[in-house]
Amino acid sequence: NAGVTQTPKFRVLKTGQSMTLLCAQDMNHEYMYWYRQDPGMGLRLIHYSVGEGTTAKGEVPDGYNVSRLKKQNFLLGLESAAPSQTSVYFCASRPGAQLTGELFFGEGSRLTVL
Amino acid sequence: AQSVTQLDSHVSVSEGTPVLLRCNYSSSYSPSLFWYVQHPNKGLQLLLKYTSAATLVKGINGFEAEFKKSETSFHLTKPSAHMSDAAEYFCVVSERGSGTYKYIFGTGTRLKVLA
Repeated sequence: NAGVTQTPKFRVLKTGQSMTLLCAQDMNHEYMYWYRQDPGMGLRLIHYSVGEGTTAKGEVPDGYNVSRLKKQNFLLGLESAAPSQTSVYFCASRPGAQLTGELFFGEGSRLTVL
Repeated sequence: AQSVTQLDSHVSVSEGTPVLLRCNYSSSYSPSLFWYVQHPNKGLQLLLKYTSAATLVKGINGFEAEFKKSETSFHLTKPSAHMSDAAEYFCVVSERGSGTYKYIFGTGTRLKVLA
């Protein structure tokens, strides 16, 4: 039972390069989220999706794009990476209908932008 | 508007002594509240959740938390700390927003357990 899987786990980019982080969940969850974690700031929501083919902006969406072409996958893209995007990125998912549901997290993707 | 305040950024306890990690929240509605634990270089794992049933919630690994509406608090406790409890702990409040469920994270409390 894999749960939420993120790839890659580590990546180093140069300023201006692009990349995509992949999140895959095998729990048939409706909702998926991308967060970034920075020291002393907790987790901040970048983008989220409430179902296949839908995406929406979170708290800190600038510089990121997302897509959810398949229910099980949620992709986070950086078109032109900046040093300020150095962070640990977490994907999470939850069932749609459950009012009191918790988030299920992947193990994170550590991105360094030089 | 929702917010979460974790009152201590770092807590140190000796092995075998009680643990108290403090969390205060504000929410316009009846919230769901969670505690997550994050071990180094790992994802977040759910410890326990409050969902308007019993106010005293028991979680994994001997942790529990008490929801106190009058104090808007949801403090995490454990009677006896173990070395394996050393980690970062996040208090989270959730409520239904426009089109989704919003989760607001506290800034975390790093727990150190001394031998």
